[in-house]
Amino acid sequence: NAGVTQTPKFRILKIGQSMTLQCAQDMNHNYMYWYRQDPGMGLKLIYYSVGAGITDKGEVPNGYNVSRSTTEDFPLRLELAAPSQTSVYFCASSVDRGDQPQHFGDGTRLSIL
Amino acid sequence: DQQVKQNSPSLSVQEGRISILNCDYTNSMFDYFLWYKKYPAEGPTFLISISSIKDKNEDGRFTVFLNKSAKHLSLHIVPSQPGDSAVYFCAAYNNDMRFGAGTRLTVKP
Repeated sequence: NAGVTQTPKFRILKIGQSMTLQCAQDMNHNYMYWYRQDPGMGLKLIYYSVGAGITDKGEVPNGYNVSRSTTEDFPLRLELAAPSQTSVYFCASSVDRGDQPQHFGDGTRLSIL
Repeated sequence: DQQVKQNSPSLSVQEGRISILNCDYTNSMFDYFLWYKKYPAEGPTFLISISSIKDKNEDGRFTVFLNKSAKHLSLHIVPSQPGDSAVYFCAAYNNDMRFGAGTRLTVKP
């Protein structure tokens, strides 16, 4: 029972490099989310998707892009990595928004030096 | 702007006693509240929730209380067990989910 799978678990990038954080879920959930968690802070929503082909910005979208070509996958793209993007990134999914609990992956710890 | 605040970064209790974790919010439009639990190197997992039309919800050892007039919710764990040691996040929903910064609970044997 995989749930939400995130890869990689850890990554170190140089300033200006690009990378894609992968997220896949096998629960047939329509809604998927990307959060970042900075030290001492709560999770902040970067982007979310309500279904394949539909994405929208969250609270902190600058510097990121997403796509949702299938129900299962929701990759997060960093085009020009900056030190401010050093964080732990969590992907989550839910049947619906609002009162439905979100299921989280184990996170990707990203450091940009 | 932090719309959901957990003012205690950490809490330590003895096994068998009650743990009370607190959460305050500023937006009166929030209509659903959730608690998540997080172990190191894992993602948060859902624990318990409450709708704004209720003031209490119970699930086994876990009870969430909501005081709308004070914009305050709390999570009670009775009795506390060492396996409850984790970081607990409260979250509030109205069109999108807002999370608190978390409280690290340590339950000592």
